[in-house]
Amino acid sequence: GDSVTQMEGPVTLSEEAFLTINCTYTATGYPSLFWYVQYPGEGLQLLLKATKADDKGSNKGFEATYRKETTSFHLEKGSVQVSDSAVYFCALSDLYSSASKIIFGSGTRLSIRP
Amino acid sequence: EPEVTQTPSHQVTQMGQEVILRCVPISNHLYFYWYRQILGQKVEFLVSFYNNEISEKSEIFDDQFSVERPDGSNFTLKIRSTKLEDSAMYFCASSPGRLGGTDTQYFGPGTRLTVL
Repeated sequence: GDSVTQMEGPVTLSEEAFLTINCTYTATGYPSLFWYVQYPGEGLQLLLKATKADDKGSNKGFEATYRKETTSFHLEKGSVQVSDSAVYFCALSDLYSSASKIIFGSGTRLSIRP
Repeated sequence: EPEVTQTPSHQVTQMGQEVILRCVPISNHLYFYWYRQILGQKVEFLVSFYNNEISEKSEIFDDQFSVERPDGSNFTLKIRSTKLEDSAMYFCASSPGRLGGTDTQYFGPGTRLTVL
């Protein structure tokens, strides 16, 4: 079945460092890809998404590009802030099913040092 | 900005008791979902709901679970006889239901269920 694999955490960086969180997927169809973020004590928030190959999703300085050839959707940010400390989830859903479940990766905890 | 709300934020119950978790989806959304996250594990899909019936359910969603949209605004998850392993954070989500599957699901803040 469809699945998502993302790099294990925790990831600890200094403020203003460059961030990459790797994510690869396995899917039989044509999935939409997502990054969700979970701040401490809060629920899941959609960070960005991409619905087809070579699309780039971006939000709040974060970017991810849908790479069909490498089945990847790596999350990047050029300069992280302390407020970016959270758990990040890579996820997919089936493009051709409007009631489709989201399949999540295991999450990567990011901690940013001042 | 409209948001999904869930009540209660934390529910403590005894094993074998029934619990009902409540959600108010975004008002013009057509699809509703429940997910759960056992502490330290990944978020898992439980069930999706559309047009007053279940669209899809996972293996986790056995006969102990049921969902209902009792009125025009609430969406509930009932666990008939809770087990220790039902302890988790339960997230409700809703989506507009646009064709083509590019829907974005919007998540509520979650209800933490603790079964003693």
